Order: sequence, then C-alpha cells, then structure tokens
Amino acid sequence: AAGVIQSPRHLIKEKRETATLKCYPIPRHDTVYWYQQGPGQDPQFLISFYEKMQSDKGSIPDRFSAQQFSDYHSELNMSSLELGDSALYFCASSSPTTPGDEQYFGPGTRLTVT
Amino acid sequence: AQTVTQSQPEMSVQEAETVTLSCTYDTSENNYYLFWYKQPPSRQMILVIRQEAYKQQNATENRFSVNFQKAAKSFSLKISDSQLGDTAMYFCAFMKPTNTDKLIFGTGTRLQVFP
Repeated sequence: AAGVIQSPRHLIKEKRETATLKCYPIPRHDTVYWYQQGPGQDPQFLISFYEKMQSDKGSIPDRFSAQQFSDYHSELNMSSLELGDSALYFCASSSPTTPGDEQYFGPGTRLTVT
Repeated sequence: AQTVTQSQPEMSVQEAETVTLSCTYDTSENNYYLFWYKQPPSRQMILVIRQEAYKQQNATENRFSVNFQKAAKSFSLKISDSQLGDTAMYFCAFMKPTNTDKLIFGTGTRLQVFP
C-alpha cells in the first residue's frame, strides 16, 4: 500500500538559509499535518491543511510558511534558518473516511542547521 | 487545552515478560481518540493501538492491549510476551474527534527489551 512520501529525507543547511520540505500524502487523503520533533522531544504540531485550506495552526514560527497544492501535496517553507530549527519534520495524512481519523506518518525529513 | 502526561521516561523488561506503560490526559471533551505510537530507532512513527472514548471496551491488537479508564483519564498500554523488536520510544497521544484535528503527544517512554 502506498505510504506518505517526504522529500528530501535529509537536509543540511546553514544559518539564515532557506529550506523547503515536501510531503506527498497517501492517495485520496485530503488532510495533511506537519509536526516538528526536536532531539529527545515529542512531536509538536505545526500546521495542517484540509482540502487545500489551512485548518489549524500550532506553534509554527512566522519564518515558516506552508501550503497544500491542488494535487494535495504540501510544502513547508522555512526561511532565516536558526540552529534551533534542527529537528525531524514529519508529515502525516488522513482522510475523513479513515477509521478513527488515523493519521499516517511519513518517514520524516531530518533537517540539520549548521 | 488538552494535555498528555507520561510519567515514566524509561522502562525495561525482559524478553517474553509483560510491561505496562502509563499515560494520563486532561480534557473537557466527552468524545475523543487516544493512541499509542511506537518510534523505533529508525524514527518512523508507527501506530500501535487506538481507543475511541465512547467505547467502553478496551482495544486489543495482538500482544498489545490498553486499560482505558475514562473517569480517571488514564490510558495505559500493556505489552505481553515482549520481544526485542518492541524496543522503542512509545508516545501516548490525544486527538479530538474532528476530521482534521491534530495529535497532542506525551513526552514519551523509552522501552528497552532485554534478552
């Protein structure tokens, strides 16, 4: 079965640079979530989209922006990167028809800011 | 606001034994979902088990079962016949029942299974 795809899997950037993370949800899933997991931390919700509209927003810095496109893939854009942005970024997808509203997680993008 | 608390940062168990991981949560919602996710060293987030708050029956998935106590807002995970592959970080998570709601995670319990 198709899973959530995230690219790139690993990304190394320098401070003040920009990064773009991509997420391709499971086919027919219309909701995408972004989570940030710092070292030794639990995943923290950043932002979500439903049918290409932002549905909820968490503790996402103003330097970050995201959108969901017509094909339902989503991109997280991160500018003016800081050392503290180094983390594992998960994308998850779900569908209203998914039993229990289960969120399916991608493998994550590991971002290292140097 | 909802909160999820996991009071055991680390647990260990011998292979084939049983271990229970604790989770408590706080919410004013009457209906919601609770989850246990496993995160092995690969860092992939894997759903272990799910419980709907309106269901009184405790969820079971093979060697994994939960003890859901709604009044006490407690949601523990029991792993029977522990296997080496169960070694991982385990996160308890809460979600309101809307279609697009976020997961709220606890801080996790690191489980080590010893041979």
